[in-house]
Amino acid sequence: DAKTTQPPSMDCAEGRAANLPCNHSTISGNEYVYWYRQIHSQGPQYIIHGLKNNETNEMASLIITEDRKSSTLILPHATLRDTAVYYCIVRVGNFGNEKLTFGTGTRLTIIP
Amino acid sequence: DTAVSQTPKYLVTQMGNDKSIKCEQNLGHDTMYWYKQDSKKFLKIMFSYNNKELIINETVPNRFSPKSPDKAHLNLHINSLELGDSAVYFCASSLDRDRVTGELFFGEGSRLTVL
Repeated sequence: DAKTTQPPSMDCAEGRAANLPCNHSTISGNEYVYWYRQIHSQGPQYIIHGLKNNETNEMASLIITEDRKSSTLILPHATLRDTAVYYCIVRVGNFGNEKLTFGTGTRLTIIP
Repeated sequence: DTAVSQTPKYLVTQMGNDKSIKCEQNLGHDTMYWYKQDSKKFLKIMFSYNNKELIINETVPNRFSPKSPDKAHLNLHINSLELGDSAVYFCASSLDRDRVTGELFFGEGSRLTVL
């Protein structure tokens, strides 16, 4: 699975959009981009995933560049409960087992 | 209702002891996992089971033995505990039909402290 690079930490004002970048320059054509988050002392929580197209669900939007070498997770209206460590993960889809490799992630702090 | 539940949530024990952590999921999922998160917060997969069959074993010491009595349960037994086993252990599950989704449902974790 391709390696990902994320900034170690970010701050965002409450109510504003939080944009979390991720670089995955060695991504292969059949690898998906996944985002999970871990709120303090809890288990990781799935947020969203995508292959080529931009994706949106009730939690967030995922913007993937045309060359697929980077992506951005967008939390449109950040709340204090969005404070967490966010993990960007790249892996082959339809693999038969979910061997997710978590990196160090981005610690996002939402400021009141 | 808790989707993936682990017990105990906290476990403090002495070196050399044997302990077990239990995991149950009520989501009807086919695959279950154990992940370990160490003191540096790195989260790494240890095992996965699909319908009671071992799928992934990530070079974990033999002292760790997962057991899946049915597809809703995956327990982790650890023999001869060492200081380095201190960590938070997360159980997770996923649905086979959603393999391409890559969505894992994690439990709340079991914090093991070995003294």
